[in-house]
Amino acid sequence: QSALTQPPSVSGAPGQRVTISCTGSSSNIGAGFDVNWYQQLPGTAPTLLIFADRSRPSGVPDRFSGSKSGTSASLAITGLQADDEADYYCQSYDSSLIDVLFGGGTKLTVL
Amino acid sequence: QLQLQESGPGLVKPSETLSLTCSVSGASITRASDYWGCVRQPPGKGLEWIGSISHSGTAYYAPSLKSRVTLSVDTSKTKFSLKLKSVAATDTAVYYCVFSPTGPYDAFDIWGPGTMVTVSS
Repeated sequence: QSALTQPPSVSGAPGQRVTISCTGSSSNIGAGFDVNWYQQLPGTAPTLLIFADRSRPSGVPDRFSGSKSGTSASLAITGLQADDEADYYCQSYDSSLIDVLFGGGTKLTVL
Repeated sequence: QLQLQESGPGLVKPSETLSLTCSVSGASITRASDYWGCVRQPPGKGLEWIGSISHSGTAYYAPSLKSRVTLSVDTSKTKFSLKLKSVAATDTAVYYCVFSPTGPYDAFDIWGPGTMVTVSS
């Protein structure tokens, strides 16, 4: 069981908005450590989607956005497209564990 | 453009040592701010950080794997390597080489395509 908790699955229709939550604790997200998000398309390696809570690497559409509040973070995807179907992972650092943590992953289904 | 490529054995016997090489192209392992590491993903499961290393060889490891893992940088500065000793079936996973331009615990900007390693007799 991961120290960063994500919902196992979310779904939405094309064009809709979905959010994926990532819940941590006072020793990771709540301590102010950066939250990063990755997208893993089926059969491929993960790619960086959001870094430092809300920044997008070049090439990532602004349909993807990140936010953080307290001990939780969220990834929002607007204007859902079929090729957004993927697994999404959050990541942060834990100062008590001295470890890099990943969330368990969330499978996004576009209906 | 920086790229990473894993090369590994494919199959390792239980209790033996898994050796993985990550080849770097488009850059070299020389800049102080850069960190090079490994992440693994068991079949059908989530991601697990293994460790990260700097150009000078300072390494940071996941506590759960620290006693079995060694990362090293090749003197050519174009490769880094992972050794995981005393492997068991639970070490079966896709192993990814990763790169962070800012720190050992920061976002991984670049990922290799991954290589599947199976632990079985």
